[in-house]
Amino acid sequence: EDQVTQSPEALRLQEGESSSLNCSYTVSGLRGLFWYRQDPGKGPEFLFTLYSAGEEKEKERLKATLTKKESFLHITAPKPEDSATYLCAVQAANYGQNFVFGPGTRLSVLP
Amino acid sequence: DSGVTQTPKHLITATGQRVTLRCSPRSGDLSVYWYQQSLDQGLQFLIQYYNGEERAKGNILERFSAQQFPDLHSELNLSSLELGDSALYFCASSVDSTLNYGYTFGSGTRLTVV
Repeated sequence: EDQVTQSPEALRLQEGESSSLNCSYTVSGLRGLFWYRQDPGKGPEFLFTLYSAGEEKEKERLKATLTKKESFLHITAPKPEDSATYLCAVQAANYGQNFVFGPGTRLSVLP
Repeated sequence: DSGVTQTPKHLITATGQRVTLRCSPRSGDLSVYWYQQSLDQGLQFLIQYYNGEERAKGNILERFSAQQFPDLHSELNLSSLELGDSALYFCASSVDSTLNYGYTFGSGTRLTVV
């Protein structure tokens, strides 16, 4: 069965303390891996799509990387406004346009 | 504002009742997706419509149904509500291909069944 897991479940960082979030997946025929940010009570906001192993994408303090089995979201020198839940989702060949979402990592950045 | 509009934002209703959630997709998007997010289940795909036709079904209960109208807005109907149906219900929209840009989500409808 296709599965997407994320770790850690929750992460508390001091402002400026860099770290990484993990998304592990087991799917057949990965078409794309997506990262979303979700603020409390709001809909997820699209961050990145990664298509193939070795690919990297960056946006401000965030950098996403992809291997054949997992993806990392690196957060460099985070600020309190980076506090949110980060979700990864995978799209496989037999999903059509649909995703399987992971449970998310709840990130808190303390000033 | 993401461009995807969901109404109402909050809904409180009793068990056994029926409710309708409404979604207007972003301008130009033909696909509409419905997701349920509860604390213990995460984001679960319910159903997708493309240009008025059902395209894919996920873990949608028989008590739930949806449709997409000619103006592309969509409605999710939930009937015989149970306490366990309390959740955030998100609508998302996309152009035909989601690979480059993913979905655009609305801000959700919080349903509380009492």
